[in-house]
This record gives sequence, C-alpha cells and structure tokens, in this order.
Amino acid sequence: DTGVSQNPRHKITKRGQNVTFRCDPISEHNRLYWYRQTLGQGPEFLTYFQNEAQLEKSRLLSDRFSAERPKGSFSTLEIQRTEQGDSAMYLCASSRTPGNEQFFGPGTRLTVL
Amino acid sequence: GEDVEQSLFLSVREGDSSVINCTYTDSSSTYLYWYKQEPGAGLQLLTYIFSNMDMKQDQRLTVLLNKKDKHLSLRIADTQTGDSAIYFCAESMGNQGGKLIFGQGTELSVKP
Repeated sequence: DTGVSQNPRHKITKRGQNVTFRCDPISEHNRLYWYRQTLGQGPEFLTYFQNEAQLEKSRLLSDRFSAERPKGSFSTLEIQRTEQGDSAMYLCASSRTPGNEQFFGPGTRLTVL
Repeated sequence: GEDVEQSLFLSVREGDSSVINCTYTDSSSTYLYWYKQEPGAGLQLLTYIFSNMDMKQDQRLTVLLNKKDKHLSLRIADTQTGDSAIYFCAESMGNQGGKLIFGQGTELSVKP
C-alpha cells in the first residue's frame, strides 16, 4: 500500500494558462475525491468518482474545471484559463466501499501569477 | 444546511490534555472524522466515530459525540510537541461514500 500520490507537487503558471493535475489512488479503492484548500481554511469538496463514474460535482467546480477518471484508476483534474483565485492546494483522496474513510494524498499546490 | 465550526487556536503545555471542539449542523451525518495536518503535508486520518456511538477511544485519543447538541470533541491525552498541528473535524452523510464537509481547523500549539 503506497498511499495516494499526486503529481506534480507544485505548479506555477501564468493567468490564462491551462493546468492538469494527476491523482493515483490506493489501488483497491474504488472511490476518488478532489478537494481544494486555501490558506487558513479546511478542504472544500469539488467532485468525486465511483470507479469511472463522476457521481457528484460541487457548484465550486465552474465550467473551467473538468475531472476525469477514464479507467476507474487514476484521475486528472484540469483547470482551463486559470485565474489568480484558483491558487490553492488541490487535494485528492480515495476510499473503498462500504465505509467512507478517505485517505488523502500530499496535494498539488497551484500558484497562478 | 451543511456547516462545521471549530475554534481556531488552542495552546497547551506538554504533558497536559488537549480538548478540541467541533459543532456541526446536519443531523443526518452518519460518520464524523478527525484529521491532522502538519505544515506542508496532506491530511492524516486520526479517527472517526459512527453517529450511533457516543464515545470512541484509541490509545491517547478519545472522541466524544453529543448528537443532541451536534457537538464533537477530540481529547488528546499526554500531549506531546509532535502533536502540534492543525486538526480538522469533518462530517459525512453516509457510509457508502460521499463528500466530507470540513471545519476551518484548530491550530494546536504544544509548549514544552
């Protein structure tokens, strides 16, 4: 069990550019979650998948954000036309059912200049 | 609506007990969690409690749940300097998966 991994760990980009993050969940976990955390706040839910199906999306997830989990294993989160307000830590977590113990990765810190 | 609140800071002396409090608003929550976050790191799951329980103990950690008042607490016995971190409580609506709603976090500072 190698835990949840995320790449890259840090990303600096210019406003207007597109960025993509990757999350590899714990291998036997069928659920995968994306959260966003800004300084001084708790994580906020963005979206989650069960296998390859995207089951819920937060209203925080504007049309510039898209997430995929094509084969039910790793997931990608893409942000198009980045804005300075997108600067945050993007966290990925996974869990298996039944149960809902979510295990988090180290996060990807995005800085939009 | 869904809302989880925590006090922002707690300072204790090494060896004392720490008690971190949390209130939540959604009475349909089925699981409540405590996570620990150290600087620059991801969230570490410490413990959780099912909503039909009122207490859970795990080594130095004791979780108390008052469902009537929607109040959750985490007690850390014999607090060590390595316990200094931000502690988040979170609620979940079901045991079949689903989003977690987090509080703002309580920064615990342990002084030697």
